[in-house]
Amino acid sequence: QKEVEQNSGPLSVPEGAIASLNCTYSDRGSQSFFWYRQYSGKSPELIMFIYSNGDKEDGRFTAQLNKASQYVSLLIRDSQPSDSATYLCAVADYKLSFGAGTTVTVRA
Amino acid sequence: NAGVTQTPKFQVLKTGQSMTLQCAQDMNHNSMYWYRQDPGMGLRLIYYSASEGTTDKGEVPNGYNVSRLNKREFSLRLESAAPSQTSVYFCASSEFATAPGGNQPQHFGDGTRLSIL
Repeated sequence: QKEVEQNSGPLSVPEGAIASLNCTYSDRGSQSFFWYRQYSGKSPELIMFIYSNGDKEDGRFTAQLNKASQYVSLLIRDSQPSDSATYLCAVADYKLSFGAGTTVTVRA
Repeated sequence: NAGVTQTPKFQVLKTGQSMTLQCAQDMNHNSMYWYRQDPGMGLRLIYYSASEGTTDKGEVPNGYNVSRLNKREFSLRLESAAPSQTSVYFCASSEFATAPGGNQPQHFGDGTRLSIL
């Protein structure tokens, strides 16, 4: 069983809609959670991190964490074509483990 | 503000050749990491350096060696390249890490695309 699981997608959403990305993890001791955005052929770019249960908002992005359910999500509101990318979930305790990523396509 | 700089950006090797991938960061970070990224497998940690003078194995260290030359620089060496090492290699750094992944956000370089024939 992989430590960090994400739906590979592609997730296709219309411009202006909400994109919802999910991530589950197996290590109950995980303490830190990150979302990275990676454009094709580019390096991962940190967009959100969350350490506590609940929601954390930054602009059009909201990260949600539920440690009891071992679940972290990312919502992208008012999706734009520039949001089309692969989104990597990363979970840290003893080490940082990455999911394989979810590819998002925002169609105009 | 360069952040994390990797060289080279592209490289083609023949099986059995050796090479060193270079990484330097200018953010005064203590911790540095080397990852490889393969299709469908996400990022996998090869080696890391929690602080200057220390290095430790990650998830997939076989076939690689590293050197933390100073606080800024962390190199990755392939002694005898194999086709299975064809991948995109990313260097990353973070301000501080209490463990290999720690709880600090990591900042990535642009990557080295390595093909081994």
